[in-house]
Amino acid sequence: EAQVTQNPRYLITVTGKKLTVTCSQNMNHEYMSWYRQDPGLGLRQIYYSMNVEVTDKGDVPEGYKVSRKEKRNFPLILESPSPNQTSLYFCASSLKGGLGRGYTFGSGTRLTVV
Amino acid sequence: KQEVTQIPAALSVPEGENLVLNCSFTDSAIYNLQWFRQDPGKGLTSLLLIQSSQREQTSGRLNASLDKSSGRSTLYIAASQPGDSATYLCAVRDGGFKTIFGAGTRLFVKA
Repeated sequence: EAQVTQNPRYLITVTGKKLTVTCSQNMNHEYMSWYRQDPGLGLRQIYYSMNVEVTDKGDVPEGYKVSRKEKRNFPLILESPSPNQTSLYFCASSLKGGLGRGYTFGSGTRLTVV
Repeated sequence: KQEVTQIPAALSVPEGENLVLNCSFTDSAIYNLQWFRQDPGKGLTSLLLIQSSQREQTSGRLNASLDKSSGRSTLYIAASQPGDSATYLCAVRDGGFKTIFGAGTRLFVKA
């Protein structure tokens, strides 16, 4: 089944403890992206990647890192999480240029930083 | 900077009614526009994708139109059902491949 898989689905952590949220897609998509969703603010793009080893900042990249060493994986790294990064995170992928079916989203990761 | 606005923010209709959700964007230089559905606490499900060269797309009871020059898209839902209750989001991909989402319209269809 064509899908985007995020792990974990739920995560509670403490301030300052480094964490990684994984994202993997099995559709051979070039384009991958991370979003956070907050009440009243909608979905905001954190980082995106046009292809392997090519990443770029979205609208809210501060406090996050990403890497794209393989086409299928696009992990989101929080080096020193803070409570304002408590949010619902989504990974998404698409064919380059958004052709075909457009974006496919993962099921989300609900992160709580205490 | 591209901004995407969805009106109304919330909508409650009786079952069976036809309805229209609106999405507007400030920069007409878009690559495509996509409509999504999101159920509470869940991920996003793609409904319709309209490329910049297209005027509309249809899937079952859903029809989405795109007017790039005026910066507008509409999502038409025919014969609404309680199962259509969800938040509907539109997203615009610009020429640089950044994607900007609207805040969504929360739809409630009463049985």
